[in-house]
Amino acid sequence: NAGVTQTPKFQVLKTGQSMTLQCAQDMNHEYMSWYRQDPGMGLRLIHYSVGAGITDQGEVPNGYNVSRSTTEDFPLRLLSAAPSQTSVYFCASSFLPGQGGEKLFFGSGTQLSVL
Amino acid sequence: AQKITQTQPGMFVQEKEAVTLDCTYDTSDPSYGLFWYKQPSSGEMIFLIYQGSYDQQNATEGRYSLNFQKARKSANLVISASQLGDSAMYFCAMREGEEYGNKLVFGAGTILRVKS
Repeated sequence: NAGVTQTPKFQVLKTGQSMTLQCAQDMNHEYMSWYRQDPGMGLRLIHYSVGAGITDQGEVPNGYNVSRSTTEDFPLRLLSAAPSQTSVYFCASSFLPGQGGEKLFFGSGTQLSVL
Repeated sequence: AQKITQTQPGMFVQEKEAVTLDCTYDTSDPSYGLFWYKQPSSGEMIFLIYQGSYDQQNATEGRYSLNFQKARKSANLVISASQLGDSAMYFCAMREGEEYGNKLVFGAGTILRVKS
């Protein structure tokens, strides 16, 4: 199994550009989420989804969009990149709590720099 | 108020000794889950251990154990027989309730350095 696959691993953008970070999982997980990690601040939740067609905002959603058209994929869109969005982005997935969701699986991360 | 507090920015431990990494949490939800993750310098997030709020026993996974003190709202990670490969950042995280999936809140982390 591939687990949680994120692409790209590295990306450099100019201010104002848009892009999509891809996330796919092959474990049939209902729950998927995106986090960003900034130095000294741990991980903060951007958006999450508890199933196909269902998404909701996390702690820091501004400047980001998501959609969940399939169980497997959960792309994160940066609408107009800003230097404040320079960060490491992680996608994570799991079964729902109470249904095997005692472990959240993470992708390998995307290092994004916005100039 | 902080949901997850890790008060130790950095810790040192001698190889083969045990070490405790502190984590306190704040929630009024009776149903919650507590997680510990390891992040080595390579950057990946590695799941270590999970404790549910209704679990009667402290969770254990190999050399990792979670010292769960519900009344004190603490969930400390104990690593026994430390190894050089344990040097990493360690994050404590909490899920409140179950209706929002595994929506985790993370602490700021503790850097652990194992000395030979």
